[in-house]
Amino acid sequence: KAGVTQTPRYLIKTRGQQVTLSCSPISGHRSVSWYQQTPGQGLQFLFEYFSETQRNKGNFPGRFSGRQFSNSRSEMNVSTLELGDSALYLCASSLSGTSGSGQETQYFGPGTRLLVL
Amino acid sequence: GQQLNQSPQSMFIQEGEDVSMNCTSSSIFNTWLWYKQDPGEGPVLLIALYKAGELTSNGRLTAQFGITRKDSFLNISASIPSDVGIYFCAGQLQGGSEKLVFGKGTKLTVNP
Repeated sequence: KAGVTQTPRYLIKTRGQQVTLSCSPISGHRSVSWYQQTPGQGLQFLFEYFSETQRNKGNFPGRFSGRQFSNSRSEMNVSTLELGDSALYLCASSLSGTSGSGQETQYFGPGTRLLVL
Repeated sequence: GQQLNQSPQSMFIQEGEDVSMNCTSSSIFNTWLWYKQDPGEGPVLLIALYKAGELTSNGRLTAQFGITRKDSFLNISASIPSDVGIYFCAGQLQGGSEKLVFGKGTKLTVNP
């Protein structure tokens, strides 16, 4: 079974631009979560989508948004980029079944490294 | 908010030595997960723990879920050079939330 895939793997943008990142979950997984990883803050939760609906949201400004399609693929968008948005953006997928059953275990993609100049 | 305290921050060991790292929290977690991340890659799941007190092994790796649901440790036995990387603990809250709370990571260096 193929793992989580993310595109593009690397991206360079300038301040003020906007960017869209894509994530394809493991086949059969219905939940997709996004995380931002920086050296200073570590791994931080952005949001989670399940059945095309945002189910959980972290403490990030409204410039960060996402969506999920009917095939469970997800996109994340960042508008009006700032220098501090430079990070590794990770996507994780899970079956999202009953809590404690193991179906919520998250598997990560390789990430998209975004550099904002 | 929830926070995981992971220690040590870094470790330098000789090949063949055993390694132990742990995570503690003031919050109760439903699930504890241990991931390893290599440079430029996403975290790879090593061990998942679902029940308080559970002890689980995966080859040379052993992890335990604390009885109070507020801590976990990961042991690596007979370390080898490919064990080099950053190890993260992550907790998943009760109630089925998909949000993972991560520790800051333990950077492991293995000298041949």
